[in-house]
Amino acid sequence: TQLLEQSPQFLSIQEGENLTVYCNSSSVFSSLQWYRQEPGEGPVLLVTVVTGGEVKKLKRLTFQFGDARKDSSLHITAAQPGDTGLYLCAGARRGSTLGRLYFGRGTQLTVWP
Amino acid sequence: DVKVTQSSRYLVKRTGEKVFLECVQDMDHENMFWYRQDPGLGLRLIYFSYDVKMKEKGDIPEGYSVSREKKERFSLILESASTNQTSMYLCASSLGQIGFFGQGTRLTVV
Repeated sequence: TQLLEQSPQFLSIQEGENLTVYCNSSSVFSSLQWYRQEPGEGPVLLVTVVTGGEVKKLKRLTFQFGDARKDSSLHITAAQPGDTGLYLCAGARRGSTLGRLYFGRGTQLTVWP
Repeated sequence: DVKVTQSSRYLVKRTGEKVFLECVQDMDHENMFWYRQDPGLGLRLIYFSYDVKMKEKGDIPEGYSVSREKKERFSLILESASTNQTSMYLCASSLGQIGFFGQGTRLTVV
């Protein structure tokens, strides 16, 4: 069973559209990270959220951590072809001192020009 | 910038061979991790290490072993490679709860 459920698994949209990716769990996390991965490369960290209810903005990307720290969302406004990639959420469980992260299965985003 | 370097981008090995995947990080991080990534399955943790000579099994350790003789280097060993170990292998090191990844090694076992 997957600790973090990510949805949708695939997303194919036109340039200029908005989209939201969800990351849900029944477990509480002390922090949650979002990564973006391009084909043939390793994941690259986009953002870390640590406080329940926290909202972070990175240009056209908005990240939110749920109040109960069990879920998160990534919203992209006016998507561009350069946003194409695999988006991964990952959480660190409370009490973990070893830096272990639990990953969702990812959302493959394709933005068409 | 944190740098995590994996020794090979692509590897092709024969069934039964012993395979070494090397990973080096340059930021003095305590924790290092090996994952494999397969389509539809996401990243699955194979092994991790929180100190030199210390290791912990992840979710899928069978068929793998690891070595951490120096803080900056974490090696993944496939004792006898099999075709079901064909995958993308990702090494990471962590500062607290934030992971930094290498570029990945695409291993094909034929």
